Amino acid sequence: DAGVTQSPTHLIKTRGQQVTLRCSPKSGHDTVSWYQQALGQGPQFIFQYYEEEERQRGNFPDRFSGHQFPNYSSELNVNALLLGDSALYLCASSSGVGTQYFGPGTRLLVL
Amino acid sequence: SQQGEEDPQALSIQEGENATMNCSYKTSINNLQWYRQNSGRGLVHLILIRSNEREKHSGRLRVTLDTSKKSSSLLITASRAADTASYFCATDIDDYKLSFGAGTTVTVRA
Repeated sequence: DAGVTQSPTHLIKTRGQQVTLRCSPKSGHDTVSWYQQALGQGPQFIFQYYEEEERQRGNFPDRFSGHQFPNYSSELNVNALLLGDSALYLCASSSGVGTQYFGPGTRLLVL
Repeated sequence: SQQGEEDPQALSIQEGENATMNCSYKTSINNLQWYRQNSGRGLVHLILIRSNEREKHSGRLRVTLDTSKKSSSLLITASRAADTASYFCATDIDDYKLSFGAGTTVTVRA
């Protein structure tokens, strides 16, 4: 049984560019949450998707947007990248409001 | 802002010793969970304790929860080199998002 998968594993972008990160949830899970983890910090909640709708959002600007597909996979899009967006982006999946299981993350570096 | 705070920030112990770390949080919670992260990779779920539970065990892990003090502790017994990692507590004050502290970095020396 595959766990949560994320792609790509690493990414380098320049300021002002746009990036799309992808996540496939664990089999049987219908809810996907995204977190940003800066170096030396704990993960910060970005938003959660359920039934293809954004269910809740953390304190992140509109440059951060997402999407959930009918097969429950999800994308995180970040526009107009800033140096401060450099971080590990983690996707977590769950079945409804159950325990969240995390993927390996995508490390984004903005130059 | 982060709901939880772990203490200490870093911990270094000898293999075979026990490691204890604490988590304090600010508002009432439904559940509290502990996760482990190795070298900046994904988080591994360790244990969940519900707000009406006081203690829970899983293998070499023991978690306590004191809702009156808004605190939790994680004890790892008989530590191994493989336990070297960062440990995070995460609280869910609603059914959706988890709020994490900054973590405790544990180093187990051979």
